[in-house]
Amino acid sequence: QQQVKQSPQSLIVQKGGISIINCAYENTAFDYFPWYQQFPGKGPALLIAIRPDVSEKKEGRFTISFNKSAKQFSLHIMDSQPGDSATYFCAAREGGAQKLVFGQGTRLTINP
Amino acid sequence: GAVVSQHPSWVICKSGTSVKIECRSLDFQATTMFWYRQFPKQSLMLMATSNEGSKATYEQGVEKDKFLINHASLTLSTLTVTSAHPEDSSFYICSARGILGAADSGANVLTFGAGSRLTVL
Repeated sequence: QQQVKQSPQSLIVQKGGISIINCAYENTAFDYFPWYQQFPGKGPALLIAIRPDVSEKKEGRFTISFNKSAKQFSLHIMDSQPGDSATYFCAAREGGAQKLVFGQGTRLTINP
Repeated sequence: GAVVSQHPSWVICKSGTSVKIECRSLDFQATTMFWYRQFPKQSLMLMATSNEGSKATYEQGVEKDKFLINHASLTLSTLTVTSAHPEDSSFYICSARGILGAADSGANVLTFGAGSRLTVL
């Protein structure tokens, strides 16, 4: 059973455009939602994270939107650049637990 | 800060041999380490969680006798793939959780290693 569902599987965006990746979850005990960026042959790197007591968090060109009632959260990349081309994973962690549950990943390609 | 070093970055071995992968937290004490496996174009699948000085907790379906995990110190955990076979070929990634800075005022961190590509011939 996939606890965190991520879409789309792949995404192509023109340079300067907005990239949007969505995730949905079922477990209401999740209380921490990070997004990771992974380049080929490398480990994931934390991009931005949010807790469910806020509806939006922005860091530079990256924004997380969080809808607690719908149990959905999304990553928006503004002014997308070719260097943003990577695989993005959303994740969730249950309060009190230590392990992360990852979404399936989205392969993002930014065309120049 | 919060750097995790994973070694080797890639390894090729013959079927039937054992391979050890190391994960070190360089500037913080990792009370918990996680080991993941990632097949090409797929997500990270948690294999096991290890707390320093304790036996690792394995996820359902992961053979503990095949994937030996040791977390003997607060800065080092190892994953040994025993009697490796071609189907064990994968990208193995560790992550370390701990406190960066003073124990009573530092920041909780969770950092991933760069991964180890294992190819079993």
